[in-house]
Amino acid sequence: QKEVEQDPGPLSVPEGAIVSLNCTYSNSAFQYFMWYRQYSRKGPELLMYTYSSGNKEDGRFTAQVDKSSKYISLFIRDSQPSDSATYLCAMTDQGAQKLVFGQGTRLTINP
Amino acid sequence: DAGVIQSPRHEVTEMGQEVTLRCKPISGHDYLFWYRQTMMRGLELLIYFNNNVPIDDSGMPEDRFSAKMPNASFSTLKIQPSEPRDSAVYFCASSFGGGTNEKLFFGSGTQLSVL
Repeated sequence: QKEVEQDPGPLSVPEGAIVSLNCTYSNSAFQYFMWYRQYSRKGPELLMYTYSSGNKEDGRFTAQVDKSSKYISLFIRDSQPSDSATYLCAMTDQGAQKLVFGQGTRLTINP
Repeated sequence: DAGVIQSPRHEVTEMGQEVTLRCKPISGHDYLFWYRQTMMRGLELLIYFNNNVPIDDSGMPEDRFSAKMPNASFSTLKIQPSEPRDSAVYFCASSFGGGTNEKLFFGSGTQLSVL
């Protein structure tokens, strides 16, 4: 079993829809949770960063962490065609320098 | 700053040949990471350096892979001999202070095809 599981999709939704992307993990030591966005033929770039449990909001994006369920989510409100990309969750534990990435979910927003 | 610079962008080679991938991290960053991305396995960490010193190479698949960082502004990942299963996108990333609390900056990657 992988440490981090993420449905690779693809996921296709109409413009304006609310998108929900999710990851589950098995290592209870993970405390730092991130979402990276990767456009085609580009490297990933950090989108959201959260520590421990709770929610974090940044514009149209909300990251949620539920450590009791070992489950993290990224919500995108009022989705736009420019949000079309692959979204990768990533996480690590205290003091570690290595991020463990999910496989990535390929998302397409249709105009 | 131009960001993390990787070269070449694309590499096509034949099985058995030596392949060298290059990376210039962002100036001032003290951590450098090499990742490999495939459809099947996603993004995998191969090796990372701190202040030019290799810290963890447990992700390097086998002895055919080697990585060096002779100075703070340059790193190489070498595959010798290359095999078709090495075909992937190889990313270099750098950060100041590591990947836990600090943002990783990725290059645009090298698309490697081994025929």
